Formats: sequence, structure tokens, C-alpha cells
Amino acid sequence: QVQLVESGGGVVQPGRSLRLSCAASGFTFSSYGMHWVRQAPGKGLEWVAAISYDGGNKYYADSVKGRFTISRDNSQNTLYLQMNSLRAEDTAVYYCAKIWAPGTRYFDYWGQGTLVTVSS
Amino acid sequence: EIVVTQSPATLSVSPGEGATLSCRASQSVSSNLAWYQQKPGQAPRLLIYGASTGATGIPARFSGSGSGTEFTLTISSLQSEDFAVYYCQQYNNWPLTFGGGTKVEIK
Repeated sequence: QVQLVESGGGVVQPGRSLRLSCAASGFTFSSYGMHWVRQAPGKGLEWVAAISYDGGNKYYADSVKGRFTISRDNSQNTLYLQMNSLRAEDTAVYYCAKIWAPGTRYFDYWGQGTLVTVSS
Repeated sequence: EIVVTQSPATLSVSPGEGATLSCRASQSVSSNLAWYQQKPGQAPRLLIYGASTGATGIPARFSGSGSGTEFTLTISSLQSEDFAVYYCQQYNNWPLTFGGGTKVEIK
């Protein structure tokens, strides 16, 4: 069955960096675009970034553009989110999410999330 | 950026009753709208895509309608497991955007 397992979250000071990982299994990872979606404590969902199946196309929310970088390693079935220049408002649970089918932009599987806390 | 607005923010419903949740986009998204359910401490679950197509395994009591800028999620007879927060998401344009959510609580 499909599994997405995020890791790499933690407490980090403002201005520092963190890299999140999402290990995927149970499907042909290299055939699917992947996304990161975050949720601040007690708040709603916010789309963060997307990457095409081959890594050739990337998209970002304005709130993270220039600071975050999405990437993937299809040989390792792993999705990444490099987060630089972190701010307090980046504090959230970060979910990786798999698209329903190639070419779609909604999500049928989500990881359990990893909490990132930006605080001094 | 397309702004997605959900209403009401909270809906109080008795078990067995129906519920109607609304989602409005600031410009047309055609039928490129999805609905998700989220329970406390859990990841969201896909309910509806294409504005009206039920995802795999979703009970028939969940239905979606609408196109353009106005959308509705209807739950025909609320079961105990349906009390949760519901989000709509447009995927017509980048950046993808979610509504702020509607919490369906027990009356």
C-alpha cells in the first residue's frame, strides 16, 4: 500500500535552515508529481511547493519562493524540501502529498506530517 | 492568486441531519475543485475531485456540485465519523489554494 513518511522536522532558530524528507513506497514514485502542504498550529492548509514526476518543473507559493527548494531523488523514492532563511511564520506541520494520477493536482495520499517550529 | 472562501466557518448539526458546505473562488476554476476531510491529529482525506466525483471508498452520502466560482459539498445524513473540518482546494491555477475550512460539529 502507499506510504509517505516525512522526517527532518524540529526546532530551529529564525534565519537558519532545515531539510525535510519524504520517503515514498507502494507506488511508482518516478511517475507521479509530488507536493508539500503545510498547516500552522490550529490553522488551515497551505500549499507550499510542487515538483513534476521527473523534477523538471517546480512550483512554489509566493510565501516561500526564493527561500524553499523542492527536489526529488527517484532512485531513492524520496522527496525533499530544503528550507532556508526560516521565519516564525513557517512554523507548521509539513505534509508531503501524492497526486491522484499523473497530470492531476489534487492529493489522494498524504504523509503523517513533520512539525517544524521556528523559534529563538 | 485565486482566493478560495468557505462558509460557514462552523456548522452545528445533529447526527442524522444533512449538511451543506459552501466554497467560493475569486475567479472561475471550471470544475477543478477538490474537497478534503480532516480529523484532529490526522492528515486530510480526499473526498471529491472534479467538483463532483467521489474519490475511492468515499460513502455515497458525500456529494459535490458546482462549477465556475460556486461549489457545494453536501453530506446527506451525518454519521458520528463525519464530524471534522472540511477544506476545498482549487487546482485550476498555480499557486494551488485551499479554503479556510468549515468545521462541522455536533449540535
